[in-house]
Amino acid sequence: GAGVSQSPRYKVAKRGQDVALRCDPISGHVSLFWYQQALGQGPEFLTYFQNEAQLDKSGLPSDRFFAERPEGSVSTLKIQRTQQEDSAVYLCASSLDDSISYEQYFGPGTRLTVT
Amino acid sequence: QQPVQSPQAVILREGEDAVINCSSSKALYSVHWYRQKHGEAPVFLMILLKGGEQKGHEKISASFNEKKQQSSLYLTASQLSYSGTYFCGTDWTGSNYKLTFGKGTLLTVNP
Repeated sequence: GAGVSQSPRYKVAKRGQDVALRCDPISGHVSLFWYQQALGQGPEFLTYFQNEAQLDKSGLPSDRFFAERPEGSVSTLKIQRTQQEDSAVYLCASSLDDSISYEQYFGPGTRLTVT
Repeated sequence: QQPVQSPQAVILREGEDAVINCSSSKALYSVHWYRQKHGEAPVFLMILLKGGEQKGHEKISASFNEKKQQSSLYLTASQLSYSGTYFCGTDWTGSNYKLTFGKGTLLTVNP
């Protein structure tokens, strides 16, 4: 079946603009994760959903970052008033279950560049 | 709390073996290994759980020493397709979902 998809793949925003990044997880996957990956670094946890419930948002860098998954499938990561330090690749991953013993399937990411 | 990976980079010739290490300053509940090729999504390789359970691909092997708080990934008879950056992700909080990834090990396999 189809994997995790993300859109757009690339986004250029001027500083101060709002952006919305979309993630379509694998159908039926309970868990959904957002990560931020800076150049040359590993993915850094942002937030976690179990179905439509956002159970952990401890990794969101500031209150400018907001994520939702209203119907327990598609998720959107919104960044308000973007700053240059927000430039990174934003990865979405989904997992079949809510247990750590299930692998996470990653999407190709959205590369955000803030100018 | 970020795990430390070593080496940072390694270059192999096809057919050679490599070991990538992942060490934590915290006790770990599980270790996950992923490979990421340039510009692509990370791809799952292996999960090692506290207590010895493992899940992963047949041609990849790994160890998890809970006492030493470290894991090693063993790549044998490397192929060109093994090239990429290898990340270990650790669950040190016991959250059962939250992974902290290392900075990665860049593996290059040459013909």
